[in-house]
Amino acid sequence: QQQVKQSPQSLIVQKGGISIINCAYENTAFDYFPWYQQFPGKGPALLIAIRPDVSEKKEGRFTISFNKSAKQFSLHIMDSQPGDSATYFCAAWSGTSYGKLTFGQGTILTVHP
Amino acid sequence: DAGVTQSPTHLIKTRGQQVTLRCSPKSGHDTVSWYQQALGQGPQFIFQYYEEEERQRGNFPDRFSGHQFPNYSSELNVNALLLGDSALYLCASIGGWGTDTQYFGPGTRLTVL
Repeated sequence: QQQVKQSPQSLIVQKGGISIINCAYENTAFDYFPWYQQFPGKGPALLIAIRPDVSEKKEGRFTISFNKSAKQFSLHIMDSQPGDSATYFCAAWSGTSYGKLTFGQGTILTVHP
Repeated sequence: DAGVTQSPTHLIKTRGQQVTLRCSPKSGHDTVSWYQQALGQGPQFIFQYYEEEERQRGNFPDRFSGHQFPNYSSELNVNALLLGDSALYLCASIGGWGTDTQYFGPGTRLTVL
């Protein structure tokens, strides 16, 4: 019940295209859903996050869509750039688990110029 | 404002040895979490320290232990190293107990031979 399932495992997009990464969760106690971006040899960096009381959050080219009834959320990267090439992780956290973030398996995004 | 720092960057040990990894949280943060990230996987929660006590623990054996100092810095100790302990060890700091946003350090790459 603590799992977060992420898809696809890898994604190839042309420059200027839209990248879409999906996640699904089971634990209805989760109430905070961040996305992290990780470059090789680096730690994950917080990209954008959402709470289940809103269905969408946008920050620049990055948008999270959230479907509470389906227990799914997704990251959309508009106008994808080669510099966006990285591994993306969705994660989930509940107020009752305090410090424990549960991560998805990751998506390797490659943006071709 | 310094972010989360970790040392050392890389470490090579042999099976059966013991290792200590160090973390300094982001300025103003008093809570530290440790994660293990195997190659090609999402980070897995090891434990969290707050007020110098272990507050939350993931599914890791007792060979993994930690400590938090009065200045909020933290250590992760792993005893009797196994080949399977080879991973990137990440430290994340949080602004306070129950706060959701976690900031990750660059990690320590541990290789067990």
